Amino acid sequence: GAVVSQHPSWVICKSGTSVKIECRSLDFQATTMFWYRQFPKQSLMLMATSNEGSKATYEQGVEKDKFLINHASLTLSTLTVTSAHPEDSSFYICSARALPPVSYNEQFFGPGTRLTVL
Amino acid sequence: QQQVKQSPQSLIVQKGGISIINCAYENTAFDYFPWYQQFPGKGPALLIAIRPDVSEKKEGRFTISFNKSAKQFSLHIMDSQPGDSATYFCAASQTNSGYALNFGKGTSLLVTP
Repeated sequence: GAVVSQHPSWVICKSGTSVKIECRSLDFQATTMFWYRQFPKQSLMLMATSNEGSKATYEQGVEKDKFLINHASLTLSTLTVTSAHPEDSSFYICSARALPPVSYNEQFFGPGTRLTVL
Repeated sequence: QQQVKQSPQSLIVQKGGISIINCAYENTAFDYFPWYQQFPGKGPALLIAIRPDVSEKKEGRFTISFNKSAKQFSLHIMDSQPGDSATYFCAASQTNSGYALNFGKGTSLLVTP
């Protein structure tokens, strides 16, 4: 149980295009999902917190107009990287917070999406 | 500002040995301390977690030791195996602040045969 999926697992796009990444909790409902960014050999950096049915809360320094987050249902959150540039190339990981009885507020992570912008 | 400090950055342990990774935090409002294991190209996987009302938690070969007064917690991997070679992250979160995880910088563990 407590499986989180991401789609796609990797994507290559041209500079200036937009890319959408989906994050789904497969067997539980997640009122809160989180989006992280991870550069090679570095830690995870929280980008934003997404609550179902409300606007996402972005961390300082993260452009909300560039990284659009939508949390339309209790099992799906999407991250859209708009007008992507090579510096946006990174590993994007989502997590979902599970509620009792699935767990006591633990976060379960997706497998990540490798974005490469040419 | 790194809210959770993790050491060492890298660690080499022989098979069968004990791997120890340490973390320290400043925010006394943190009330959830998980450890994650991450393999290259994969998302982090929850390994074990502890809350501040206990000083130790053991699950199989993995043990968390928690020292509330020192604001430190550590992961011990007993009988380390080559398959344990991965990057380990400690983290901390606060229940009444959105549950967002504050991660340490990670420890790259290599277990040699």
